[in-house]
Amino acid sequence: DAKTTQPPSMDCAEGRAANLPCNHSTISGNEYVYWYRQIHSQGPQYIIHGLKNNETNEMASLIITEDRKSSTLILPHATLRDTAVYYCIVRVGSGSSNTGKLIFGQGTTLQVKP
Amino acid sequence: GAVVSQHPSRVICKSGTSVKIECRSLDFQATTMFWYRQFPKQSLMLMATSNEGSKATYEQGVEKDKFLINHASLTLSTLTVTSAHPEDSSFYICSARGVGLTIYFGEGSWLTVV
Repeated sequence: DAKTTQPPSMDCAEGRAANLPCNHSTISGNEYVYWYRQIHSQGPQYIIHGLKNNETNEMASLIITEDRKSSTLILPHATLRDTAVYYCIVRVGSGSSNTGKLIFGQGTTLQVKP
Repeated sequence: GAVVSQHPSRVICKSGTSVKIECRSLDFQATTMFWYRQFPKQSLMLMATSNEGSKATYEQGVEKDKFLINHASLTLSTLTVTSAHPEDSSFYICSARGVGLTIYFGEGSWLTVV
């Protein structure tokens, strides 16, 4: 699977948008971009995923560049409960014999401050 | 989202004994389950992939005779840490994938070997 690069840490003011970048310059055409977050001492929580188009759900928005070499996760109104480690992962989707396992990097520790 | 449950959430065992951790998909059938280990302040490390009814595939460096994985049904996978030692103390996390692409994680199990 392609590797991703994320800044190790970021701060965000409560109520403001948190924009978390991710570089995945070696991503293949059939690989999806997934975002998970892990709050201390809990299992990772699924946030969102996308292939080419921008995606939005109740938690966040995912903006993928046209060349798919990078993406940004946007939390529109960050709260203190959004403080967590955010992981950007690229993963093979359907149509492959790969089981689509998720390989975690170091992620970005987002600290939301009051 | 889908629910994956792990049991026990915390376990303490004596050195040299074996301990079993269960992972259940509560509202979907999981064709594939994954087991991770996470040490403090580190990222998740994939240990193995298990497909229902077949042998698990272990990642490089993971001892298959020490970490026994059984995926006997579409809703249950178990990880048994055999002859546990203090260095096996860690946070063990399972995840499960159904027919879709998204993988959901359990809450994690803390293992302490004394």
